[in-house]
Order: sequence, then structure tokens, then C-alpha cells
Amino acid sequence: DGGITQSPKYLFRKEGQNVTLSCEQNLNHDAMYWYRQDPGQGLRLIYYSQIVNDFQKGDIAEGYSVSREKKESFPLTVTSAQKNPTAFYLCASSMAPTTLSNYGYTFGSGTRLTVV
Amino acid sequence: DAKTTQPPSMDCAEGRAANLPCNHSTISGNEYVYWYRQIHSQGPQYIIHGLKNNETNEMASLIITEDRKSSTLILPHATLRDTAVYYCIVRNNDMRFGAGTRLTVKP
Repeated sequence: DGGITQSPKYLFRKEGQNVTLSCEQNLNHDAMYWYRQDPGQGLRLIYYSQIVNDFQKGDIAEGYSVSREKKESFPLTVTSAQKNPTAFYLCASSMAPTTLSNYGYTFGSGTRLTVV
Repeated sequence: DAKTTQPPSMDCAEGRAANLPCNHSTISGNEYVYWYRQIHSQGPQYIIHGLKNNETNEMASLIITEDRKSSTLILPHATLRDTAVYYCIVRNNDMRFGAGTRLTVKP
């Protein structure tokens, strides 16, 4: 079955360490997205990519980095520059937006990162 | 900023219809309205989407006003498992979500 996979589901890291969250999709979707969610809050856009080798900053990109070397993969690195990295991270994908914008998003099941 | 406005929370009695409103007064003519829901600690789940006409599927119905400035998601017979945060978004290129509506279905 096609889908979007985030791994691991839970991740623990020491403060000051960089950590990379994986996101892989086999839906042949062009666009991929990363969100951060804090307890009781909505989704905030970190980065997004609409095509391979290209990505744009979202609303809270500071302290994060991404790459898009393959269509299927959009890993997110949480760097030591991110002041409050503990959060729930969600990855999503969609077909490239068109003028009709009739393409929804498929979400992964999320990675819960805890930095101690 | 998100282009939609939703009430922060709503309650609904089990077995009754849940009607969740959404305002999207700046929607463009070719933008679809999508609804998702997120159960605690899971990824958002697609519910339904529409452009102009009312839509229905096995999960819900979507009523869009004629001027397209607002819509209502209807869960016809809410169950306890429908307790979740419901997001209404207008499909555009940058995919930003608002805070959604936290629906609590009570016995």
C-alpha cells in the first residue's frame, strides 16, 4: 500500500546534539512538508518542498534544516540551534499544487522528539 | 496566517449531529476547502473536501455556502471516537493550518 512513513515514532536526544527525522513516501507525490506541533497547539509549518532539490522556509525554520535529494525522501534535521526542540513532528506530502488545487495532503504518523 | 477561522472548541452529545463551522471569506474561485481531523498524538486524517457543491462521503457531509465564504462540516451521528481536533483549510500553495476546533463528544 502507498503511504508516508516517519521514523522513529519516539526519539530521545541529549541537549546540544543534532538529530535527523526521517520521512519517506511512495505515493509519487511532488510536494513534501514538515510541521511542528506543541501540546494543545495547532500545526506550524517548518519547511516545504515542491520539487526535488528545492525547498522553502516555513514560519518557524530557524534551528532546522532539510534536504530533498530524492522525490521520495524529505529528512528534517533538528540542530542544536533550535532552542526548544521537544515537540511532535509531522511530515506530509501532496501532488504539486495546480490552479485547481484539488489535491489533498497525506500525513505520516509523526515522530515525538524529546530532548533532555 | 491561515485563511480560515474556526471556533476553538465545541461539545456534542453522542448520537447527535455535530456541525462544525468554518469561515474562509478570502477564498479564491479555484481554491478547495479541505477538512482534516487529528486524534491525539496521531497524524491528521483526511475527511472530505469540496469546491462549490455540497459533498458527502462515508465519514461526513460538507456544506459550502453559495458565496463560498463559509462551510460546515457535519458528522451526522457523532460517536465518542469522533472526539478530535478538526481543521478546515483552504488549499493553496503553502499549506498552513489554523488552530482548528477541538470537538468533544460526550456520552
